[in-house]
Amino acid sequence: EIVMTQFPDTLSVSPGGRATLSCRASQSVAGNLAWYQQRPGQAPRLLIYAASTRVTGIPARFSGSGSGTEFNLTISSLQSEDFAVYYCQQYNKWPPITFGQGTRLDIK
Amino acid sequence: EVQLVESGGGLVKPGGSLTLSCSASGFPFNSFPMTWVRQAPGRGLEWVSSIEGTSTYIHQSDSVKGRFTVSRDNAKNLLFLHMTDLRVEDTAVYYCARDHVPRHWGQGTTVIVSS
Repeated sequence: EIVMTQFPDTLSVSPGGRATLSCRASQSVAGNLAWYQQRPGQAPRLLIYAASTRVTGIPARFSGSGSGTEFNLTISSLQSEDFAVYYCQQYNKWPPITFGQGTRLDIK
Repeated sequence: EVQLVESGGGLVKPGGSLTLSCSASGFPFNSFPMTWVRQAPGRGLEWVSSIEGTSTYIHQSDSVKGRFTVSRDNAKNLLFLHMTDLRVEDTAVYYCARDHVPRHWGQGTTVIVSS
């Protein structure tokens, strides 16, 4: 099983600022990595797939990078609606599909 | 518009059974794999099971293997998760989702396993 580890667990950033969230895989997942946003009480929302491809309708301030075992999700010019929990997911070698434990993005 | 609506959640005693349903609309259901993901209270996302469009391939997590069965009725655009021998640790919100990297998710249905 590929273990996905996200860091930090919590990140505090001011509105308008820039946030970089990281995700590490226990073995290479090539570019088969997705990022999700989850707001309280809501289902997850797919933001990025194939490590860096933004889903249609996702604002350009969300960007993904990385390959192999190290990945980042960067959110520039943070808006109030961006403060949420973010998960990475690998789908390179499955089953099982595995998620990271999540990073909570808080308002500073 | 793609819509996924789960139902069937509830309170069940340890060792009991429950079947969740997911009604799909707005897309050719039989052409897409479907996935169940759960989220325990205050915890992260956990993949549970996936089933291909024709039910040829079915995959499950080790944590539910032998206890949960995923199935689908393509004629009725329905996805199911039949859960048996439920444990306290199965308590979670269960989401159905389209694809293995889901862009479309249901709103979730809550399963509480408690005596």
